Amino acid sequence: ETGVTQSPTHLIKTRGQQVTLRCSSQSGHNTVSWYQQALGQGPQFIFQYYREEENGRGNFPPRFSGLQFPNYSSELNVNALELDDSALYLCASSLRGGNGRETQYFGPGTRLLVL
Amino acid sequence: GNSVTQMEGPVTLSEEAFLTINCTYTATGYPSLFWYVQYPGEGLQLLLKATKADDKGSNKGFEATYRKETTSFHLEKGSVQVSDSAVYFCALSEAGAQKLVFGQGTRLTINP
Repeated sequence: ETGVTQSPTHLIKTRGQQVTLRCSSQSGHNTVSWYQQALGQGPQFIFQYYREEENGRGNFPPRFSGLQFPNYSSELNVNALELDDSALYLCASSLRGGNGRETQYFGPGTRLLVL
Repeated sequence: GNSVTQMEGPVTLSEEAFLTINCTYTATGYPSLFWYVQYPGEGLQLLLKATKADDKGSNKGFEATYRKETTSFHLEKGSVQVSDSAVYFCALSEAGAQKLVFGQGTRLTINP
């Protein structure tokens, strides 16, 4: 069984640039969620994708956008980068079930530094 | 809205000591509760979970019991090891909701 993988592991960008982060979900999972973890904080929910559509969004501006592909992998795109976007970005996959009580499994994260 | 509050860290213990990390939550419904662990430079690993009142989650010597009456999910371990040094996050998700809501994390350091 393959776990959740993310790429790249580290990334350095400058203010105003755009970035794309990638996530491959765990084998058998159909749902991907993205979280932002600032240094010393708990992860904050950005959004979730299910069946290639956004299925819930946290308190993040529209310059944070995403995609889910037919193989359930996903991308997180951030436009017009700001210094405060520097964080660890975590992807989590899960299997949407009938009772809505799925468990999310996390990848190792992508550490983004905006200069 | 839903929220999770953890005891503030950092927590420093000696090897073989008893560990408790407190976690309380606020939720409108009947959430599932989780403990995740984050080792230095890594992502989150699921440690244990409980989905209904009075359930006990356990893994690797860690335990936590879902207490609806006190809205708590405290993490315990009887004898900690140096390898348990990490940041521990308590989290909840409501049934049918899309997101996990995390506490701020508790950094645990175990000295030999």
